[in-house]
Amino acid sequence: DTAVSQTPKYLVTQMGNDKSIKCEQNLGHDTMYWYKQDSKKFLKIMFSYNNKELIINETVPNRFSPKSPDKAHLNLHINSLELGDSAVYFCASSLGAGTGLQETQYFGPGTRLLVL
Amino acid sequence: DAKTTQPTSMDCAEGRAANLPCNHSTISGNEYVYWYRQIHSQGPQYIIHGLKNNETNEMASLIITEDRKSSTLILPHATLRDTAVYYCIDRGFQKLVFGTGTRLLVSP
Repeated sequence: DTAVSQTPKYLVTQMGNDKSIKCEQNLGHDTMYWYKQDSKKFLKIMFSYNNKELIINETVPNRFSPKSPDKAHLNLHINSLELGDSAVYFCASSLGAGTGLQETQYFGPGTRLLVL
Repeated sequence: DAKTTQPTSMDCAEGRAANLPCNHSTISGNEYVYWYRQIHSQGPQYIIHGLKNNETNEMASLIITEDRKSSTLILPHATLRDTAVYYCIDRGFQKLVFGTGTRLLVSP
């Protein structure tokens, strides 16, 4: 009974391809996030959606486009993949976008993307 | 960028208490302190959070100094499964800003 799930778990693709990663949460949360963890293990936020609306968009190339069809889903589409996009991408969700208990984030298992 | 500082690594014997310190000297009055951990190859896992008072839950205790400039996460009886990178975070509003964390190694 997974709370935050991501598909696929592994993704190996060629440079220049377009790929999507899907995320679903069954916690009834309003806010969802995408994080990127690079080879040096630094974990950085990319996007955040609250009630299907974009609220955080860090300095991320335009090739990355998040889409939230409903509150329970936040997908990440990546165009024209580059070698530097190789990383682990984590989806997370929280009850809301406030502070304290509302902000507690629950993470998915990650999607390991390798661009060749 | 992360505003917290933590030791790069710590060791702990199985069954003993693990005390992980964190400095957050620039924390503002309404910012919470959050602790997460990341076990190898898994997503980060929430442990505990606090504002001013000490907190305890089934996973750990959090001791926050009176001036709120530092805190300590305590795992009272560390097990091998507690081996992970532990992150102390003081910017929780709408996003978590992760630093490099403390790599805790629990040994038999």
